[in-house]
Order: sequence, then C-alpha cells, then structure tokens
Amino acid sequence: EAGVTQSPTHLIKTRGQQATLRCSPISGHTSVYWYQQALGLGLQFLLWYDEGEERNRGNFPPRFSGRQFPNYSSELNVNALELEDSALYLCASSLLIGPGGRDEAFFGQGTRLTVV
Amino acid sequence: QKEVEQNSGPLSVPEGAIASLNCTYSDRGSQSFFWYRQYSGKSPELIMFIYSNGDKEDGRFTAQLNKASQYVSLLIRDSQPSDSATYLCAVRGSSNTGKLIFGQGTTLQVKP
Repeated sequence: EAGVTQSPTHLIKTRGQQATLRCSPISGHTSVYWYQQALGLGLQFLLWYDEGEERNRGNFPPRFSGRQFPNYSSELNVNALELEDSALYLCASSLLIGPGGRDEAFFGQGTRLTVV
Repeated sequence: QKEVEQNSGPLSVPEGAIASLNCTYSDRGSQSFFWYRQYSGKSPELIMFIYSNGDKEDGRFTAQLNKASQYVSLLIRDSQPSDSATYLCAVRGSSNTGKLIFGQGTTLQVKP
C-alpha cells in the first residue's frame, strides 16, 4: 500500500513568488494535515482538511492557504513568499475515526521549500 | 501555556539503559496520543499510539497514559545508538477541534 506522497521534494523560490505544494494521502484516508518545520524547530500546525472542508487552521497569516480535492489529495499554497517561509513542509493523513476509534496519522517525506 | 509540552533535552543515556520521555497536554478532552521518532532531515515516523489510560507495550517501547494528570510518556528499554533521534509527542484534541498538535520534541542521545 502506498504511503503519503508529497511533491515536489525540493522547491526553490524567490521572495514575493508563490509556492504550491501537493500531498496525496494514504488510500482511504480522508483527513490531511499540513505542518511547517523550520530548521531545528518543532512542527507548527498549519491546516487540517477532512472530507474536502477546512476544519481548522493554525496561527499563520492568510497568505498560507490550501484546499482538499474530491479524491482527498491536498494542495498548500503560500503567496508572497518571505525568507522566513523557508522550511520543511510536512503533510500527514489519517482517518478521522477509524475502526476501534483509531486515527493514527502518517507523514509524507516532506517538501523542503527554500526562499531566496 | 503550550498545548503540548515536552522537555527539549538533550536526554543522554548509555547504551542498554532505559530512556524515559515525558509529555503533558492542556486539552482535557483529548482522546488520542501518539509518539513519533524523527531523525535529522527526515519526516516523523509513528512508533506508538495509545488511546486508553494505562500502559501499552510494543517491543522495546512502552507508552503510558494518565488522562487525569494529562500526562503521557514513552519508555525505551535496552536503548540502542540507533534510537538517537528526536521524539515527538502528538495529541489529537477533543472532537470539536480535532487538530493534531505536536510538542517541540525531546532529543535523545544514546551513547555506546
């Protein structure tokens, strides 16, 4: 069974540009989470989608946005890129509530975004 | 108060010892608790999950949950140098929020 896949693995953009990051969840998973991990820091919650709806967002400016498609894949868009947006962007997927109430989340390999 | 708190470490233990990692959380309605391991430059890997009070064992790993104290821990027995990594505690909030929140992680160093 394929795991969570993210593309691209690396992305270099210049300040002020827009970046689009993509995530395909594990087959059958309906929830997708996005996190930002700056170098040496923890995972900061960005966005949570389930069944095509944005369910919650973290404390990030509106230039961070995204969507979830009918096939549950997801896209994260970052507009007006700033140097401090350079980070590893991680996507995770889960069932909202699985058999036995289980809802473990599994991560993709991440997209490393560098803003120059 | 942070939603999920961990001691950043580093926690240093000798090879073969027991490593004890701790985590506290603020949302009393939280239902699901996870431990992830993250090697430098890699994405987090799920190693344990626990949903009920008490202990859950899987190989060398034991997760402990105390919802009354809002405390979850991870014990690693017979620690190996390959266990050296950052361990992330994650908590899924109560059903009306549902977001999965991570602590800052504890860096574990296992010395040969």
